[in-house]
Amino acid sequence: EPEVTQTPSHQVTQMGQEVILRCVPISNHLYFYWYRQILGQKVEFLVSFYNNEISEKSEIFDDQFSVERPDGSNFTLKIRSTKLEDSAMYFCASNLGRGWDGYTFGSGTRLTVV
Amino acid sequence: AQTVTQSQPEMSVQEAETVTLSCTYDTSESDYYLFWYKQPPSRQMILVIRQEAYKQQNATENRFSVNFQKAAKSFSLKISDSQLGDAAMYFCAYDGTQGGSEKLVFGKGMKLTVNP
Repeated sequence: EPEVTQTPSHQVTQMGQEVILRCVPISNHLYFYWYRQILGQKVEFLVSFYNNEISEKSEIFDDQFSVERPDGSNFTLKIRSTKLEDSAMYFCASNLGRGWDGYTFGSGTRLTVV
Repeated sequence: AQTVTQSQPEMSVQEAETVTLSCTYDTSESDYYLFWYKQPPSRQMILVIRQEAYKQQNATENRFSVNFQKAAKSFSLKISDSQLGDAAMYFCAYDGTQGGSEKLVFGKGMKLTVNP
């Protein structure tokens, strides 16, 4: 069964450093998403991406965050200058279309900012 | 804005028994999708079941079924013949189809424990 692949599975970074989280969505999917889950809390939407541009972003997704689909297969989330409160599980997801078969999630990247 | 409420933070069930997880949501849309996701200790988000709001028939997937009450904005998940592997966090989620919103809105989740 096709999977959404995320790397790395765990990243530790110093506060103020830049991090790039990587995702390979399912190849024929058209919509791509990043969500985050702070430990013990609910899953929160960050950004959606369609047709090579951001289609929606949340209040969390401020100027420190950016997304890119550099080569038609990878989908990256960059955090420019990490803060302690960015520590969370970051999930990439993709789907074919609105509600179509649900959203397929990757296994997540656990980001720890120290 | 749409909201999803899971009022029970934790539940437990005996192996082989049936348990029902509750979820309510608030929306002004008439067409939307509802989902239940399972998050085991590995923290991967796994789709359990999906319901389209325009379908009156409740969705079923093997031991998992939903009770979708559109007028009441209620979407509960029933797990029959509970297994130890069902132990996980369960998240109810909403996906609207109107107003340009393109995201899942999750509830806070509910931790299910399955006792042998």
